[in-house]
Amino acid sequence: DTGVSQDPRHKITKRGQNVTFRCDPISEHNRLYWYRQTLGQGPEFLTYFQNEAQLEKSRLLSDRFSAERPKGSFSTLEIQRTEQGDSAMYLCASSLRTGLNEKLFFGSGTQLSVL
Amino acid sequence: AQKVTQAQTEISVVEKEDVTLDCVYETRDTTYYLFWYKQPPSGELVFLIRRNSFDEQNEISGRYSWNFQKSTSSFNFTITASQVVDSAVYFCALSEGRGSNYQLIWGAGTKLIIKP
Repeated sequence: DTGVSQDPRHKITKRGQNVTFRCDPISEHNRLYWYRQTLGQGPEFLTYFQNEAQLEKSRLLSDRFSAERPKGSFSTLEIQRTEQGDSAMYLCASSLRTGLNEKLFFGSGTQLSVL
Repeated sequence: AQKVTQAQTEISVVEKEDVTLDCVYETRDTTYYLFWYKQPPSGELVFLIRRNSFDEQNEISGRYSWNFQKSTSSFNFTITASQVVDSAVYFCALSEGRGSNYQLIWGAGTKLIIKP
C-alpha cells in the first residue's frame, strides 16, 4: 500500500497522560499536514511541514501540542497532559507541491479518546 | 469573514436517484479556490475536485458534476444515478489567495446515505 498511513488507529488514554501519533506520508511527498476533526465538523488545520521544516502552526494550537518531522519523512504529533477536549480524530495528509495544483492525500486518522 | 456553509446535515435517497449537495461560501477575496472531499466510513478524506474563482465552467466527471455560480456564491455537487458506494460524508472547502491547503476553511459536511 503506498498511501498515507497513521498509527495507531485508535488510542484511549486517561486525562493528563501524554500521547504520540505517527504519520508515514507517501514517500515522494514533500509536504505533510496535521488536522484535527471532531464529530460533525470538518477538519481543523493544526500544522504543516515542507520537508523537515515546520512552516505553519495554527494559532489555536495549544502549547501542549508539538509535531516533528526530523528527516523529512515520517512525522509525529505529541499531545502532553491530555484533556478531555483533545478527544478527536487526528488526520495526517501529504502532498507533492508542484505549482498551484497541490492535491492532498489523507490517511485514515487516529481516533483519540481521553477519559 | 470566510465561511463555508453546508446546510444539509444529512441526506438519504434510494439508489439510482440523483442527489445534489449544497455548498455556499463567503469570502472577500477575488481569488479563491473551492474543493470537494469525500470521507467514507473508513475515515480517509478523498479529494474530488478543485476549482478556482476565475473558472465558472461547470465540470462533469462520470456520475459527478459540479455547478459553480459566483452570483450566488455556491458550488453545488450533484451525483447522478447514485450508488450505495457513494454513501459517505462530503465536505466542501474554501481556500483564499494561492489556494494553500493549510488555509482551507471547511464546511461541516453533509452525510449522504444511499439506500439499496
